[in-house]
Amino acid sequence: GEDVEQSLFLSVREGDSSVINCTYTDSSSTYLYWYKQEPGAGLQLLTYIFSNMDMKQDQRLTVLLNKKDKHLSLRIADTQTGDSAIYFCAESGGTGGFKTIFGAGTRLFVKA
Amino acid sequence: EADIYQTPRYLVIGTGKKITLECSQTMGHDKMYWYQQDPGMELHLIHYSYGVNSTEKGDLSSESTVSRIRTEHFPLTLESARPSHTSQYLCASSARGAVGPQHFGDGTRLSIL
Repeated sequence: GEDVEQSLFLSVREGDSSVINCTYTDSSSTYLYWYKQEPGAGLQLLTYIFSNMDMKQDQRLTVLLNKKDKHLSLRIADTQTGDSAIYFCAESGGTGGFKTIFGAGTRLFVKA
Repeated sequence: EADIYQTPRYLVIGTGKKITLECSQTMGHDKMYWYQQDPGMELHLIHYSYGVNSTEKGDLSSESTVSRIRTEHFPLTLESARPSHTSQYLCASSARGAVGPQHFGDGTRLSIL
């Protein structure tokens, strides 16, 4: 079946930029998403990008999509301790239809 | 802002009890989903629904059942809880028509003693 892969951990210093990477296998994906999950909570939709876009910027967040390499990244500028969380990459609209395929999540640790 | 609510937030209960986890959304979304997630781990889709009177099993086999009698309501039931059911259960919904983002509730953390 289709798959979404992410590295499990990332550690950065407060004030630095964080870059979380993701690869996916379904070339027919329509939407690609980044969700954030804080401890004990549900998933919060951070941002998403259509497959016909290369980049989307929203305040401190920049999403880059390389459709040829099936690679998605999330850059968080000026990372704060409040950004410490699990970040899930996900895709939908491909062979899974409206179902969303999630990665296993990247745990971001921000050191003060 | 997404409006999807799950109750209870936490439940600790003994083995053998019947449990219903509630999920309601006020956005008129036709598609709804239940995921099982161990703390900090990946999500597993256990049930989903296209709309009223539609329910489907997800990718992970589950002993739970669901119903969809009203658009806004998608409860999950465990007839006889076991310790192996201890986990976090997340409900989500997405809008009518084309594919798009899912909106999540805050989850129910279930502990079976």
